[in-house]
Amino acid sequence: ELKVEQNPLFLSMQEGKNYTIYCNYSTTSDRLYWYRQDPGKSLESLFVLLSNGAVKQEGRLMASLDTKARLSTLHITAAVHDLSATYFCAVDYSNYQLIWGAGTKLIIKP
Amino acid sequence: EAQVTQNPRYLITVTGKKLTVTCSQNMNHEYMSWYRQDPGLGLRQIYYSMNVEVTDKGDVPEGYKVSRKEKRNFPLILESPSPNQTSLYFCASSLVPGLSYEQYFGPGTRLTVT
Repeated sequence: ELKVEQNPLFLSMQEGKNYTIYCNYSTTSDRLYWYRQDPGKSLESLFVLLSNGAVKQEGRLMASLDTKARLSTLHITAAVHDLSATYFCAVDYSNYQLIWGAGTKLIIKP
Repeated sequence: EAQVTQNPRYLITVTGKKLTVTCSQNMNHEYMSWYRQDPGLGLRQIYYSMNVEVTDKGDVPEGYKVSRKEKRNFPLILESPSPNQTSLYFCASSLVPGLSYEQYFGPGTRLTVT
């Protein structure tokens, strides 16, 4: 069965701290996406990871992909309140279809 | 402004009353897709389209229909809605069918079926 598992599903943290969200998947794929969703809003693309070892960084967020371990990480450095959102990873398994994780709800307290 | 639009944004209807949710993109994207989002389940793909007149089922197509007569439009049709189709629906588009590019999402349509 094709599965994408994110953990944790919920994370409450203080501003200034570092943390990592994990995305494990069960199928062979070398394409993985990270999206952000603010409460009541649509989804916004954060990162597109297209090969083993890919690393992308934008501000305080850094994403990486290890296709051999079937694992992607989203690392948050020195968190700020504006990063509070739900983060989704999605794995491309057939060129036209994605399997999505359940999402990680991140709350960053001032 | 490059965007994906959906209408309506909110809809309350009754079981069995046919409805259509429209989706339009102005980015000349080939690939379009419909998802539903339910709490704790992430997004699940309903249907997708690689180009005009080319559509295929996603993971949860039962109870839904789509059409792609023009490149920019991809309406979602519920012929006989049921309460288990109460959900938040998103339309998305992407530049190329291979999905090497990120998808752009519409604002969402919250549907309640009573």
